[in-house]
Amino acid sequence: GESVGLHLPTLSVQEGDNSIINCAYSNSASDYFIWYKQESGKGPQFIIDIRSNMDKRQGQRVTVLLNKTVKHLSLQIAATQPGDSAVYFCAENTSTGANSKLTFGKGITLSVRP
Amino acid sequence: SQTIHQWPATLVQPVGSPLSLECTVEGTSNPNLYWYRQAAGRGLQLLFYSVGIGQISSEVPQNLSASRPQDRQFILSSKKLLLSDSGFYLCAWSTAQGSGNTIYFGEGSWLTVV
Repeated sequence: GESVGLHLPTLSVQEGDNSIINCAYSNSASDYFIWYKQESGKGPQFIIDIRSNMDKRQGQRVTVLLNKTVKHLSLQIAATQPGDSAVYFCAENTSTGANSKLTFGKGITLSVRP
Repeated sequence: SQTIHQWPATLVQPVGSPLSLECTVEGTSNPNLYWYRQAAGRGLQLLFYSVGIGQISSEVPQNLSASRPQDRQFILSSKKLLLSDSGFYLCAWSTAQGSGNTIYFGEGSWLTVV
């Protein structure tokens, strides 16, 4: 079956370094991808998205890269801060006719060392 | 701007008791509405989604039910809770039209069944 997965369950980075969180997806028909950030005890928050007709999109301190050839999605966080500590989820959208379905990965914990 | 509210934020219920979690969305009309469950240390599992009043789709067989009595109101219920119903429940919404729409989450409700 189709699945979205994350390569590493946890990632520890030094404050000020750049973070790279990776995600693999297996549905080549997915047309839209989202990264969410979930802080402890809260609901996931939208960070950035990218459509399948793009390979890179930049936000404030974050960049999402999409490699459709190898079905790989990554989130890059520049100058990681303690407030970036959270669980990060990737999600892929697959559209079938008028319906679309968002499938979430299992999540990876980003821990920022002071 | 759109906002989503769900309550209660935390709930401790005995096995066999009923459940009612409520969610409302403001600032939009005819949204798609969702209920997700997140077990500790796990990803997001879609439980129900609704594309309109009275229209409920269930993703997994379970001890829970959902209802949408009004356009922007979504309720998660159970007649008799099980221990396995414990978890973090998230209500979410997205715009109804088109493919690849971002899902926005509420703050979540912690349910502990004892």
